[in-house]
Amino acid sequence: ETGVTQTPRHLVMGMTNKKSLKCEQHLGHNAMYWYKQSAKKPLELMFVYSLEERVENNSVPSRFSPECPNSSHLFLHLHTLQPEDSALYLCASSHGTDYYEQYFGPGTRLTVT
Amino acid sequence: ELKVEQNPLFLSMQEGKNYTIYCNYSTTSDRLYWYRQDPGKSLESLFVLLSNGAVKQEGRLMASLDTKARLSTLHITAAVHDLSATYFCAVDVAGYGGSQGNLIFGKGTKLSVKP
Repeated sequence: ETGVTQTPRHLVMGMTNKKSLKCEQHLGHNAMYWYKQSAKKPLELMFVYSLEERVENNSVPSRFSPECPNSSHLFLHLHTLQPEDSALYLCASSHGTDYYEQYFGPGTRLTVT
Repeated sequence: ELKVEQNPLFLSMQEGKNYTIYCNYSTTSDRLYWYRQDPGKSLESLFVLLSNGAVKQEGRLMASLDTKARLSTLHITAAVHDLSATYFCAVDVAGYGGSQGNLIFGKGTKLSVKP
């Protein structure tokens, strides 16, 4: 595997379900990010991890819970989501959080029913 | 409020023509990125602009940054169908009131190049 991978690529879940999105980067980077891309809004940064420590949480509801067990893996745990949470969730990584371009994964298309 | 505005949001152009996409931003920053996104795909990094006056070119695309005017442009020369995609600019506000790694994205410009 190369670059940034995400699983699953598509996910349909009910509002009472609990699921997790997984991201893995194979680039030796130290920073990882979660973004939300919905049809009606620009790409929104959700969380930033640097060296496995969360450095940014952009006022994201608690029904989204990130986890970064090591510098190569990032998870987004989902529970009791709302239909408006349906979106494309993108993971990205970079060498660091300053002055470094971010490399994006293919995304997980999430539909909440 | 930090704003990144792209225009146009939709652009339909004929092959062989030239056009420019504009990215204006409302905060101080000297780092700006351009990305391309094909339908159903992820974002692909095109250009990284790290200083005032930076200009970068790759094939038919050329990007520039004017930090004093808070403006970046993406110029398309002699467009071809393969350039059809959505193009995003993103302003890096780390160190300027934003947190680390904080990219503020524009809404994107959907480009369609027709024969």
